[in-house]
Amino acid sequence: GENVEQHPSTLSVQEGDSAVIKCTYSDSASNYFPWYKQELGKRPQLIIDIRSNVGEKKDQRIAVTLNKTAKHFSLHITETQPEDSAVYFCAAREEKLTFGTGTRLTIIP
Amino acid sequence: KAGVTQTPRYLIKTRGQQVTLSCSPISGHRSVSWYQQTPGQGLQFLFEYFSETQRNKGNFPGRFSGRQFSNSRSEMNVSTLELGDSALYLCASSLPQLASDTQYFGPGTRLTVL
Repeated sequence: GENVEQHPSTLSVQEGDSAVIKCTYSDSASNYFPWYKQELGKRPQLIIDIRSNVGEKKDQRIAVTLNKTAKHFSLHITETQPEDSAVYFCAAREEKLTFGTGTRLTIIP
Repeated sequence: KAGVTQTPRYLIKTRGQQVTLSCSPISGHRSVSWYQQTPGQGLQFLFEYFSETQRNKGNFPGRFSGRQFSNSRSEMNVSTLELGDSALYLCASSLPQLASDTQYFGPGTRLTVL
């Protein structure tokens, strides 16, 4: 089955700097890669997703890149703000959605 | 549209008991997936239902089961509870037209097994 690895597990970034979270997947048939943000005590919320026929997607301060050959995808957050502090999960889907283990992002004011 | 709802929000059970959790998807969504979230294991896929049929299943023992009704509402059942079943159980709904349709999560049911 699909295996998704996510790094780093924790990340501290100075406010205003950029944050990058990386994921690799094992199943080359996976064709959909969402990123979820989960704040403490809340449900995971989709923040951006990318499909396998696209290499990059951007939404304001958030961007995702996908390298199908290398089977990895990354989340980039620019100009970080305190409200970006949360746990971020990547996922890959072929038949079912398989999640990475999460990255706890802390923005230091 | 109203979001995904889950009931109950909190449950406390003892070992050996069974529990039933409920999930109501977003109106018009026909697929419901269930996940177990624990601090150590992250989000683990349990199963997915579409049009009252189980379409995919994760690597959980047979004590975990589910079903979906004709109105797309779904229930999951855990029998013979163990301490390790303590977790946040999340359901997510999607349309889906394609396997890549976005999943929207409910608030979860926090299950504590004593």
